Amino acid sequence: EAQVTQNPRYLITVTGKKLTVTCSQNMNHEYMSWYRQDPGLGLRQIYYSMNVEVTDKGDVPEGYKVSRKEKRNFPLILESPSPNQTSLYFCASSAQTAGAYGYTFGSGTRLTVV
Amino acid sequence: QKEVEQNSGPLSVPEGAIASLNCTYSDRVSQSFFWYRQYSGKSPELIMSIYSNGDKEDGRFTAQLNKASQYVSLLIRDSQPSDSATYLCAPRGSQGNLIFGKGTKLSVKP
Repeated sequence: EAQVTQNPRYLITVTGKKLTVTCSQNMNHEYMSWYRQDPGLGLRQIYYSMNVEVTDKGDVPEGYKVSRKEKRNFPLILESPSPNQTSLYFCASSAQTAGAYGYTFGSGTRLTVV
Repeated sequence: QKEVEQNSGPLSVPEGAIASLNCTYSDRVSQSFFWYRQYSGKSPELIMSIYSNGDKEDGRFTAQLNKASQYVSLLIRDSQPSDSATYLCAPRGSQGNLIFGKGTKLSVKP
């Protein structure tokens, strides 16, 4: 089954404790992206990657890191999480960034930082 | 900053009625447009894409695009309670990424 898999689905952590949210897709998609979704603010892009070893900042990159060492994986790293990073996070992938190719989203990771 | 504007709603329609969801966007470069449906706490799900002016129909859904007016809409015919969700409009920006509106919450009353 074609899918984007995120782990974990739920995570509660403490301020300052480094964490990684994993994202993997099995569709050989070149484009991958991370979003956070907060009430009233909609989906906001954190980072995106056009291909292996190519990453770029989205609209809200502060406090986050990413890497794209393999085509299928695009982990999101929070080096020192803070309570304002409590949010619902989505990973998405797409075959291309043109034409009728939309995004396929993962199931989401609900992160709480206390 | 490219912007996508949607009425936040909630838009309430009776079962069997037509629901009309509207979206305006500021980036004239946008050529492809997407509608996503998102149930509460779930991930967005692609339901329609459109890139030519005019109408595109898929089952009970019709997307309408007017690039000159920078306007795209989604009509849902014979609305069902299961259509109750938030609908996200997403034009493709000049960098190739999708720019999401904040969504319109639709409530279909039985």
